[in-house]
Amino acid sequence: AQTVTQSQPEMSVQEAETVTLSCTYDTSESDYYLFWYKQPPSRQMILVIRQEAYKQQNATENRFSVNFQKAAKSFSLKISDSQLGDAAMYFCAYRHNKGNTPLVFGKGTRLSVIA
Amino acid sequence: GAGVSQTPSNKVTEKGKYVELRCDPISGHTALYWYRQSLGQGPEFLIYFQGTGAADDSGLPNDRFFAVRPEGSVSTLKIQRTERGDSAVYLCASSLTGGSGGTGELFFGEGSRLTVL
Repeated sequence: AQTVTQSQPEMSVQEAETVTLSCTYDTSESDYYLFWYKQPPSRQMILVIRQEAYKQQNATENRFSVNFQKAAKSFSLKISDSQLGDAAMYFCAYRHNKGNTPLVFGKGTRLSVIA
Repeated sequence: GAGVSQTPSNKVTEKGKYVELRCDPISGHTALYWYRQSLGQGPEFLIYFQGTGAADDSGLPNDRFFAVRPEGSVSTLKIQRTERGDSAVYLCASSLTGGSGGTGELFFGEGSRLTVL
């Protein structure tokens, strides 16, 4: 079974600084997706960024970028120029791209942004 | 609607009671998922529908939990004889397709917070 591990329960960053959230995963598959979701106090999961495993180029969405290391099964999220609105729970998730499989989530990292 | 809608937003019930939680997915999305999120944890998969049928219910913890999606759109998660350990946020998500070929992205609702006293 696939597993996703987030080893940092909590992180903090100064406003305007950069922070990196770690994620590792375990799978025997080669074709899959990886995601970072943000969950603010409203509870709704919001997609931050997505990476297809077959793509070597790291995904980037404005201030958010990933460092995808397929061989090491590592998928870290970098947030640049951190803003107060970035404060939330961040979840790393995996999904096999074959058949009908659900997202598998890590336990999350709580990010605090200090003004 | 524009997004995934879940009702009720909050539900408080007594131990032993029956509860129904409703999910209205994004129009046109064929795949629908239920997750349970306990305090301080990541979401845990419960059940997945492709159309009207449950394609994977391996995450349902026991036979007190049941879900339906009779017309392939709205889904209801049903919990019988509720226990205090069932207290959690129940998240619903939908996607265009549950199989390969899509973007893989799930769109989530705001969840239903269930508290069992």
